[in-house]
Amino acid sequence: DSGVTQTPKHLITATGQRVTLRCSPRSGDLSVYWYQQSLDQGLQFLIQYYNGEERAKGNILERFSAQQFPDLHSELNLSSLELGDSALYFCASSAPLESETQYFGPGTRLLVL
Amino acid sequence: DQQVKQNSPSLSVQEGRISILNCDYTNSMFDYFLWYKKYPAEGPTFLISISSIKDKNEDGRFTVFLNKSAKHLSLHIVPSQPGDSAVYFCAVIGGSNYKLTFGKGTLLTVNP
Repeated sequence: DSGVTQTPKHLITATGQRVTLRCSPRSGDLSVYWYQQSLDQGLQFLIQYYNGEERAKGNILERFSAQQFPDLHSELNLSSLELGDSALYFCASSAPLESETQYFGPGTRLLVL
Repeated sequence: DQQVKQNSPSLSVQEGRISILNCDYTNSMFDYFLWYKKYPAEGPTFLISISSIKDKNEDGRFTVFLNKSAKHLSLHIVPSQPGDSAVYFCAVIGGSNYKLTFGKGTLLTVNP
């Protein structure tokens, strides 16, 4: 158990809908990262937050957004969902002085029908 | 263009023998190199890392070697155990944002 929690574990929805994925980092970690794992693209970095502020953006679509709250949990919002958004979404966190080591949650499996 | 390549999609070894997983990268500016292990239906688990200023790091049965001139990273598992069977991802970090760039993974199967 990495200490990073993600909810829900599974999500099934329809095209055009909007969903919210939630992540709670390990105690004491200030950085939260979101990654998407799809069959053809592998694990891809989406976005990073550090202590509530956006730090870096990767291959994140405009239909997707994220935020980190004062209690440091983070939410990833996916809207106008398409079939191709079906994937595993992972959250990771890292400690302030050990940012090179990220600890991953169990992931949320999203299926868009 | 892939910055991190794991050219072997799968590897099969016998229990007790050495497993060697390989990874090539393109950018010499990467600062850290990591290996993650992933079981089905779980998130990646951090295994071992090495900074760009070192060429070897060891942790129990796991040793990571970094060859900067060849831009090559390898993970040695000795002795291999059936519980090591999983997908292994190499990942790199470069720049100030600490985002991980992953390879596509190698499925390791350790046969009893």
